[in-house]
Amino acid sequence: DTEVTQTPKHLVMGMTNKKSLKCEQHMGHRAMYWYKQKAKKPPELMFVYSYEKLSINESVPSRFSPECPNSSLLNLHLHALQPEDSALYLCASSPQGRRGTDTQYFGPGTRLTVL
Amino acid sequence: AQSVTQLGSHVSVSEGALVLLRCNYSSSVPPYLFWYVQYPNQGLQLLLKYTSAATLVKGINGFEAEFKKSETSFHLTKPSAHMSDAAEYFCAVSSGGSNYKLTFGKGTLLTVNP
Repeated sequence: DTEVTQTPKHLVMGMTNKKSLKCEQHMGHRAMYWYKQKAKKPPELMFVYSYEKLSINESVPSRFSPECPNSSLLNLHLHALQPEDSALYLCASSPQGRRGTDTQYFGPGTRLTVL
Repeated sequence: AQSVTQLGSHVSVSEGALVLLRCNYSSSVPPYLFWYVQYPNQGLQLLLKYTSAATLVKGINGFEAEFKKSETSFHLTKPSAHMSDAAEYFCAVSSGGSNYKLTFGKGTLLTVNP
């Protein structure tokens, strides 16, 4: 099973709402990632968890809060977002996150719209 | 810092024609290189990757890429385009080391005309 699942597929939220994105993998991977992708652009790395510890935070605003409850799950908590945060949010996982040769497996994404 | 440059934001080919998508990299250390494909409203799927084992890499769906160190290139090819190949293609380079980061090119949109 090489699948990364993400829920929900679509999310519409107001600027005062609190919501969460969820990502799950059952491949035994020890690294998980959040990316943000705007239309017609490449994915931009936001966070990396390696062995359930946050190893990279790409200077993401605090209104985005990641959480890795266990090695299979990754959440992204959203609060007080801005309309410019509307994008496709992609989750990915890789076997270790410590080897440049590791393949990242991507989920289908959550399409977020902030009103 | 490592980076990739994809030449041509949009490539259009006829069905059955050769597909050539260009990628040049910049790296101070031996790079690991990847090609991903993204279909509309979907995530990214790995087509192939170069990890220094062989310079000619074969991937899924009939795609292949050749690593040329002298030209710092990793171009993606397919002998005969199919309508189902229409998608966005991203070249990416890995930073390696203890914190694995994937740096993407800007992408090339491939359209296939009947």
